[in-house]
Amino acid sequence: GAVVSQHPSRVICKSGTSVKIECRSLDFQATTMFWYRQFPKQSLMLMATSNEGSKATYEQGVEKDKFLINHASLTLSTLTVTSAHPEDSSFYICSADQRGGLNEQFFGPGTRLTVL
Amino acid sequence: DAKTTQPPSMDCAEGRAANLPCNHSTISGNEYVYWYRQIHSQGPQYIIHGLKNNETNEMASLIITEDRKSSTLILPHATLRDTAVYYCIVRVNNYGQNFVFGPGTRLSVLP
Repeated sequence: GAVVSQHPSRVICKSGTSVKIECRSLDFQATTMFWYRQFPKQSLMLMATSNEGSKATYEQGVEKDKFLINHASLTLSTLTVTSAHPEDSSFYICSADQRGGLNEQFFGPGTRLTVL
Repeated sequence: DAKTTQPPSMDCAEGRAANLPCNHSTISGNEYVYWYRQIHSQGPQYIIHGLKNNETNEMASLIITEDRKSSTLILPHATLRDTAVYYCIVRVNNYGQNFVFGPGTRLSVLP
């Protein structure tokens, strides 16, 4: 089946620094990708919808200036957590739809962010 | 908010069938029932989806009631590797539509 990758798989950074997370669709093109966040023992929460060639759409309560999303190609979306703080520590997961398939959505393996 | 309700947890003996229920009483006519699972510290994995007919694949079977207000995911021979959180989600089958995750059911397969 279709594969979505994320890089890095885990990252530890100091408070105040910025972290970039990449999401790639490896064998299909995705004009739309999604970014989710999952805190411990909670479910996935949608943060934003990433659209190739246009601005991302953010969910209510998600700061667009803090979580920068760039979807510059049909196979790559990036999420940059700017000026990270300990409360941003979470599991970040991306997903993408494979157009023309069964429309099941494929999820990446996730990125564990720890902000010290 | 999620449009489905699931029991928070279930146990199943290894080698037995695991039957995971899901209620979706407000499902719309154009919404599909999707099942995903999430093993600890991994991304969600697609299992199966269906509209109104029962579906089967190499991983599981999906039984949808005639009124479509509930469904059951069946893992025919559960193994220890099936221990995970299972999410039942209703969603229109359109490209570019996100998923809304509820708390899911934590299935523990016991030896």
